[in-house]
Order: sequence, then structure tokens, then C-alpha cells
Amino acid sequence: EPEVTQTPSHQVTQMGQEVILRCVPISNHLYFYWYRQILGQKVEFLVSFYNNEISEKSEIFDDQFSVERPDGSNFTLKIRSTKLEDSAMYFCASIDPRENYGYTFGSGTRLTVV
Amino acid sequence: ELKVEQNPLFLSMQEGKNYTIYCNYSTTSDRLYWYRQDPGKSLESLFVLLSNGAVKQEGRLMASLDTKARLSTLHITAAVHDLSATYFCAVTSMGGGSNYKLTFGKGTLLTVNP
Repeated sequence: EPEVTQTPSHQVTQMGQEVILRCVPISNHLYFYWYRQILGQKVEFLVSFYNNEISEKSEIFDDQFSVERPDGSNFTLKIRSTKLEDSAMYFCASIDPRENYGYTFGSGTRLTVV
Repeated sequence: ELKVEQNPLFLSMQEGKNYTIYCNYSTTSDRLYWYRQDPGKSLESLFVLLSNGAVKQEGRLMASLDTKARLSTLHITAAVHDLSATYFCAVTSMGGGSNYKLTFGKGTLLTVNP
């Protein structure tokens, strides 16, 4: 079964540093997403990406965040200047809405900002 | 704004007992998902429910959807310890313009005791 791959699995960074979280979604999917989950809380939508551009973003996704799909396979989330409150699990996901099965989520990147 | 409410948020069960987790959502949706999450892990897809009256079963878990009541249930039959996890429901908004983003409930932490 196809998988969504995320790297790294865990990243520790100092406050104010830039981080890039990487994802390889399922290649024939159409929509790509980043979600985050602060420890012990619910999963929150950050951004959706369709047809090589951002199609929707949440209030959380401010100017410190950006996404790219530079080569048609990798899908990255960049946080320019990390804050303590960015510490969370970040999940990449992809979907083909024409198919009846659900989203495919990656295994996640645990980001710890110190 | 689409809102998703789950209850209960915490559920402690004895092995062998039955119980139901409820998921209410506030506006018309075209898909409802149930996920399982083990501590520190990703989201494992359990069910995708697409239409009114849909019922799906896998092992000791059965999910149903009532789109008129905007209610889904996840029924657990004869619980076993291995079912201990957090269960999330998630809903997409109607139509392609929603970008199929998921709005999650807060999750139900299920603990099955011997």
C-alpha cells in the first residue's frame, strides 16, 4: 500500500532557528496538506496545497510558515523563526478525492523548540 | 465554521463490555472519518463514511453515519485491552471548494482495563 513518508521523525531546534520538515506524498494524489497536533490536543489544519499552489491556509499558518513542492515529489513545510509554541507533531497528508478511501497521513515529525 | 464535537472525551471500560463514542458536527459534510492514534504515533485510518445510513465494521469496531442528524457513532463490542488508544472523528466540508480539509474532534481517550 502506498505511503506518505516524512523526515525527520524528530527534530530539536533552538528558538528563532529555521526548520524544514519534509514529506513525500503519494505521487498520484491531488491534494497535499500539513496538519499539526500539540501534545495531548486535537489535530489542526495548517495548509492545503493543490495544483502547485496554496489553496487554503488556517490562522495558524502565518508569515513564519511556508510550503513548497519544488520537484513534483517532495512537499516541505518551512518555519522561518521557530517559537516555543511551535513545538508539536506535524503530519503531512495527501488525498485523491476521486477515490473513496481516506486520507493517507505520514508518520509525523515531532518538533521540539527549546 | 464547521465544528466537530466528540463525547465522551475520556472513556474507561472493562474488557468484554460494549460502549459507543459519539461524534456530532455542525454543518453539512460529505465525508466522515474515524482514526485511531496510539501515543506518539500517527493517525491510523479506521473508517470512511460517505453517505447517510452508511455502516462499516472491522473486528470489534462498527461505525455508522446519520447525515440528517449530523451524527456518527463508533461502537465498540466486547472491548479488549488492545483497543486502548485515542479515537478521533474528522469531517470534511461540503464541496470541492473546501479543499477537503479535515476538521477534527478533540478525541476520545479509551482505556480498556482487564
